[in-house]
Amino acid sequence: AQSVTQLDSQVPVFEEAPVELRCNYSSSVSVYLFWYVQYPNQGLQLLLKYLSGSTLVKGINGFEAEFNKSQTSFHLRKPSVHISDTAEYFCAVSPRGGSYIPTFGRGTSLIVHP
Amino acid sequence: DVKVTQSSRYLVKRTGEKVFLECVQDMDHENMFWYRQDPGLGLRLIYFSYDVKMKEKGDIPEGYSVSREKKERFSLILESASTNQTSMYLCASEQDPYEQYFGPGTRLTVT
Repeated sequence: AQSVTQLDSQVPVFEEAPVELRCNYSSSVSVYLFWYVQYPNQGLQLLLKYLSGSTLVKGINGFEAEFNKSQTSFHLRKPSVHISDTAEYFCAVSPRGGSYIPTFGRGTSLIVHP
Repeated sequence: DVKVTQSSRYLVKRTGEKVFLECVQDMDHENMFWYRQDPGLGLRLIYFSYDVKMKEKGDIPEGYSVSREKKERFSLILESASTNQTSMYLCASEQDPYEQYFGPGTRLTVT
């Protein structure tokens, strides 16, 4: 079984500032890692994913994340946020092999102020 | 583009009613999922399906059932709605194990 901890439930930030949304996971097997974004009144959409290879993963809208196996973390970063980045962000993990059923974190609300 | 549609964006039902939530995907995906989303709890898996007429319980199946008669359609059924089932319901589909595609969600209120 796996679990996902998003360390901040809410992150307020000013426009054009950098941001980091933190995600830690635990699992007895190797995992795939994902970040999804949910804009108000919408479903989730994939921001980026780590399957294998380079531990630095680039996604849509200028976001990137780094997989750190020793710290079991997959933090999401953006060097300069926009008002339009205001949304809920979910970290998720899926076990390699087996059922692939993802486990989601509880979400981090990113609030970008002008 | 993959499209996942859900039959209603907002739904209000009375306690004890039978409720059907429909989800349709247009990309011939094998796997479909139903989640509920509550503030502070994230997404919790209710049921999923790997094939037509096949279903598996997720983490919180109590009070729910599902139906998958056709590959593109996955229905969630609340046999007798209760107020604690007031929530946002999200449907998702996936072809491979690497990415889920979500519908816009149905916000259900049970009064």
